[in-house]
Amino acid sequence: TQLLEQSPQFLSIQEGENLTVYCNSSSVFSSLQWYRQEPGEGPVLLVTVVTGGEVKKLKRLTFQFGDARKDSSLHITAAQPGDTGLYLCAGTTTSGTYKYIFGTGTRLKVLA
Amino acid sequence: EAQVTQNPRYLITVTGKKLTVTCSQNMNHEYMSWYRQDPGLGLRQIYYSMNVEVTDKGDVPEGYKVSRKEKRNFPLILESPSPNQTSLYFCASSFSGTRGQPQHFGDGTRLSIL
Repeated sequence: TQLLEQSPQFLSIQEGENLTVYCNSSSVFSSLQWYRQEPGEGPVLLVTVVTGGEVKKLKRLTFQFGDARKDSSLHITAAQPGDTGLYLCAGTTTSGTYKYIFGTGTRLKVLA
Repeated sequence: EAQVTQNPRYLITVTGKKLTVTCSQNMNHEYMSWYRQDPGLGLRQIYYSMNVEVTDKGDVPEGYKVSRKEKRNFPLILESPSPNQTSLYFCASSFSGTRGQPQHFGDGTRLSIL
């Protein structure tokens, strides 16, 4: 079974600080997505990366896909209280099936 | 408005009483999927469907059934629910199952099996 491990599990920081969330696996993924989930709602897609080494920016969020397509990171610059939420990475398999593997999630709290 | 609709949002029931959670999407998406979310385990895929009449198992299919008779609907069936199926369930859809397609999620169904 393919696994995606996220770290850290929990993160509580002050407004204005920077942070990085990691998503690691021993398996290769054809694509990697990052979602954010608010309480009482389903996850909402932030970004998709498909090429090894790819970097995408979404305002203060920077996403990177590892060269070997086994890992990814999400970096937030100058975090704001509105960034609070559960961040999930999800990979699509390369085995010919169309399964999604989700990471265990990083719960971020940004304090004002 | 483009959306994925799940019903019910909350359900408390007893062991062994068959239940169905409905999922409907209005985006003409081909790919639909069911997940369960448990603390510390993230989302785990139960079943997915590439298109009408095409379904396949995810990582945790035991105890669940699905059907895809119409493109817009993908119900999740628990024939004989057990307490270990108490969880938060999400239905999702995407244009296709190929890599990089964004998944659109419903707001979730919280099931408690006593």
